[in-house]
Formats: sequence, structure tokens, C-alpha cells
Amino acid sequence: SQQGEEDPQALSIQEGENATMNCSYKTSINNLQWYRQNSGRGLVHLILIRSNEREKHSGRLRVTLDTSKKSSSLLITASRAADTASYFCATDENQGAQKLVFGQGTRLTINP
Amino acid sequence: DAGITQSPRHKVTETGTPVTLRCHQTENHRYMYWYRQDPGHGLRLIHYSYGVKDTDKGEVSDGYSVSRSKTEDFLLTLESATSSQTSVYFCAIREQALADGTQYFGPGTRLLVL
Repeated sequence: SQQGEEDPQALSIQEGENATMNCSYKTSINNLQWYRQNSGRGLVHLILIRSNEREKHSGRLRVTLDTSKKSSSLLITASRAADTASYFCATDENQGAQKLVFGQGTRLTINP
Repeated sequence: DAGITQSPRHKVTETGTPVTLRCHQTENHRYMYWYRQDPGHGLRLIHYSYGVKDTDKGEVSDGYSVSRSKTEDFLLTLESATSSQTSVYFCAIREQALADGTQYFGPGTRLLVL
């Protein structure tokens, strides 16, 4: 079964606004990762946050992790049309199986 | 792009026929993965490999088999394709130089089973 549940399933905003996506998971994790997928393409790794970290930044991306609530959020600031894509969270479970478990994704549309 | 290629990129086949998808990597990564992506389900792991001839099942392995006879190639076989196996299939590798499990994905194969 899916580990991550993402919310919302779809998000449409105006260019320049901030976009926030949320991910919840069920089991203990080593880390949580966010990936982006442009239409018709493979997934691309964006950012990783370890279980002992609470917040991480990379350019216009900010990721938070709350292990007590088993949840994470991805914030994209000052959105651009090129940010239009699907975004997936993935958890690296604490079981040594070297596997990621993906959420169902959030479809983000940036309107010019 | 971590040197990952998938072939074929598109395939149309008929129910009951065997289908083999190939994933090829050029950077000697130990871990390789096959996922399928369907609307409403995100990515689901089919099989993965942790070395030559070492494979294990994922979440949705029924109806699929895999083989890895060389480090660079990971094959996914549908022994007798069914319409429920119509999907987009992605191969991925795990960057073993990093202990954090980051994966890099191939471009995908679109499979239609009629």
C-alpha cells in the first residue's frame, strides 16, 4: 500500500504566488524525499530531508518535516510557469530494504 | 540523467503475448528498480535488484518477472500480458555513493495491452 498520502491532489495558482503541498506517511523513516515529474517524463529528485531535520531549503524550495505528526510539506515560493508539474513525496523506510515508497502526487498548475 | 535508458519507449501489444522491457545504465549502480505508474496510484514498485542475479519482489509483482545477468541491464518481463498491465513503466537506479537513497529515473516506457 502507499506510504505517502498527498494533499491536495491538484493545485492551481497564479504565477508569482507560493505553492504548498503536504505529505503524510505511516511508518518510521530514514528520510523523506520530494520529486518532480513533468508531463510525459521521468521523476526528478528535488530535495531530501532526514528524519532528524525539521526544515531544509534549496533555492525556492522549502521542505519541513514533523516526525511526531508523520507529515511533510513542500513550499515553492514565487512560482513560475515552469514549475507546472506533478510533485511526489517518497519515504525511505527504516527497514534497510533500500526501497522508496511514493505518494500519489500533487498536480500543480501555474497560470500565467 | 544518470545514464539510464529504457527500451522500447512505446509498445502496443495484444493480450496473452510476452513482453520484455529493458533498462540500461552506464554507471555501474548496484540497485535498480522497476515501477509502474497509473492514474490515482502514483508509482508502485514491481521488482528491484541489489546486484547481478539478486532480485526481490515489490508491492505489485504478480504477473511480472525480472532478470539481471549484467550490472548494466535490468529486464522486466510480462510473461502473458493482460489489459491491467497497460501502464507507464519506469526504471530507476539508486545512487549508491549517497547513503540517503536518492533515486534517478529513466524516461519511461508506455505500454498498451489491447
